[in-house]
Amino acid sequence: KQEVTQIPAALSVPEGENLVLNCSFTDSAIYNLQWFRQDPGKGLTSLLLIQSSQREQTSGRLNASLDKSSGRSTLYIAASQPGDSATYLCAVRPLKSDSWGKFQFGAGTQVVVTP
Amino acid sequence: NAGVTQTPKFQVLKTGQSMTLQCAQDMNHNSMYWYRQDPGMGLRLIYYSASEGTTDKGEVPNGYNVSRLNKREFSLRLESAAPSQTSVYFCASRTGTGAEKLFFGSGTQLSVL
Repeated sequence: KQEVTQIPAALSVPEGENLVLNCSFTDSAIYNLQWFRQDPGKGLTSLLLIQSSQREQTSGRLNASLDKSSGRSTLYIAASQPGDSATYLCAVRPLKSDSWGKFQFGAGTQVVVTP
Repeated sequence: NAGVTQTPKFQVLKTGQSMTLQCAQDMNHNSMYWYRQDPGMGLRLIYYSASEGTTDKGEVPNGYNVSRLNKREFSLRLESAAPSQTSVYFCASRTGTGAEKLFFGSGTQLSVL
């Protein structure tokens, strides 16, 4: 069974510092991996999607890397701002037919960026 | 463009009561999902519908039923609510045609006393 882990559970950084968020998964047979942002009391918003054949994906200050063989993805947020404070979750989409389309989520990393 | 709409936003039930959570999307998506989110546990899949007329169990289906009423709507029913079903429930959708993103509703906070 696929297990998705995000460590640490919480992180606090001063404004301007780069953020590094980790996601690990136990089964490398994935179709893709997504990173989401969740603000308190809100739903999830997809930030980046990386296909299993890709090594990284970028959008503005966000960069996500994927190392499928080692079961890891990292989300980098450059020059953090207080508005980046949120919980960040990763989710993998399995490649196996019996789990096709069923995304598996990590528990998330709660980020606080202090002014 | 409303995206994914969930109702109600908040609900309090007594043990044994029943209720239906409603979800509708206006993006012409094929696939729809119901997840629950509990503190420290991430999101866990309750049920999944790959397309209109199909449903499949997820990781935690016990105590729930679903109906894919049409392409737009996917409802989740609790027949006899239990305190263990206290959670935040999210509906999500995607086109279902390839490597596309998931879109989420804003959630339903459910408390079962």
